[in-house]
Amino acid sequence: AIQLTQSPSSLSASVGDRVAITCRASQGISSALAWYQQKLGKAPRLLIYDASSLQSGVPSRFSGSGSGTDFTLTISSLQPEDFATYYCQHFNSYPLTFGGGTKVEIK
Amino acid sequence: QVQLVESGGGVVQPERSLRLSCAASGFNFRNYAMHWVRQAPGKGLEWVAVISHDGSTKYYEDSVKGRFTVSRDNSKNTLYLQMNSLRAEDTAVYFCAKTTVTTVFDCWGQGTLVTVSS
Repeated sequence: AIQLTQSPSSLSASVGDRVAITCRASQGISSALAWYQQKLGKAPRLLIYDASSLQSGVPSRFSGSGSGTDFTLTISSLQPEDFATYYCQHFNSYPLTFGGGTKVEIK
Repeated sequence: QVQLVESGGGVVQPERSLRLSCAASGFNFRNYAMHWVRQAPGKGLEWVAVISHDGSTKYYEDSVKGRFTVSRDNSKNTLYLQMNSLRAEDTAVYFCAKTTVTTVFDCWGQGTLVTVSS
């Protein structure tokens, strides 16, 4: 199975900060990567698919980049509603796997 | 709008069985593959199983192979997960999820909690 390693596992940031979360795949997955946001007690929400395509309705401050094994989710200017946990997920082949998550907390 | 509503969770003893359901509405259910994803308390997301749009193809995560069975009834717009020989490590919130043309989860249910405990 393809393993996804996210870093950092948590971070503290202030409103307005630029935040970057990385996801590394154990083997090349082309652009078959998605990013999700999950708030406490809620279902995840799709943010980015195909590594860099913004899901409809998601604010443009979210962006994704990368291909192969290294990927990044960037939030250009952190907003109060962005404090949550973020997960990457590959869809290169079965079994699908998720990264371990990155919790973004208020500084 | 697209809606997925899970049901069937609860407290069950180890080695017993439970069947989860996911009622879909707001989209053409029979056209889409459907998945189950779980999340243990305080932990990350774990993909569990997928079933193709017509039910002909299924894949499972290794730890549930031989114990869980995914199925669907397209006439009822409903997805199922039959869970047998349950273990403490199966304790989790179970989400059903719809995917796009690629295997990206664009819609999730609210989840149903399964607790395996004696």
